[in-house]
Amino acid sequence: SAVISQKPSRDICQRGTSLTIQCQVDSQVTMMFWYRQQPGQSLTLIATANQGSEATYESGFVIDKFPISRPNLTFSTLTVSNMSPEDSSIYLCSVEDRTSGRGDTQYFGPGTRLTVL
Amino acid sequence: GIQVEQSPPDLILQEGANSTLRCNFSDSVNNLQWFHQNPWGQLINLFYIPSGTKQNGRLSATTVATERYSLLYISSSQTTDSGVYFCAVGLYGNNRLAFGKGNQVVVIP
Repeated sequence: SAVISQKPSRDICQRGTSLTIQCQVDSQVTMMFWYRQQPGQSLTLIATANQGSEATYESGFVIDKFPISRPNLTFSTLTVSNMSPEDSSIYLCSVEDRTSGRGDTQYFGPGTRLTVL
Repeated sequence: GIQVEQSPPDLILQEGANSTLRCNFSDSVNNLQWFHQNPWGQLINLFYIPSGTKQNGRLSATTVATERYSLLYISSSQTTDSGVYFCAVGLYGNNRLAFGKGNQVVVIP
């Protein structure tokens, strides 16, 4: 299965600032996904990031707030812009691995725990 | 959008007990996965199971796609089984997953 790393693992930020989260995969993947998990809640998909095209955002998420880059098949970034305390969450990236023989299995990175003061 | 409901929301088990977690979904799906989120937040993929039955050690899962539900069985539970179990489904022609709210499981020694 794909091995995924994220940086930073956690951060504490002041409101009004921005944070860029990096996601690195050890193999080339077509589709990468960014999720948010608010405290005590389930996962909500923010956007799908394909290499060479604009990210596709889910309802309730906009590019100005969560700009995403996908410069190659192993790397993506998510920026949380103009942060407020409501943005305090775990942000996770995931990839689809179709090489495992297990169908469209998704694997998740360890997450970035963000606290906004 | 598709609705994903998991039950029970919370479960406390004595070590060694068996349990069944249920996932109901509101539309036809081509993708159903079960995940375990450990107390440190790491999500582990347990099963990719859009239909049929699979087993992996003490865990097994069954999806009855025509009746729109899936079951996750935990046998001989251990304290390391504690955490939140998520069911996630994807729609036909769509790689995006919709997650249920999860089953919080606590296994006590």
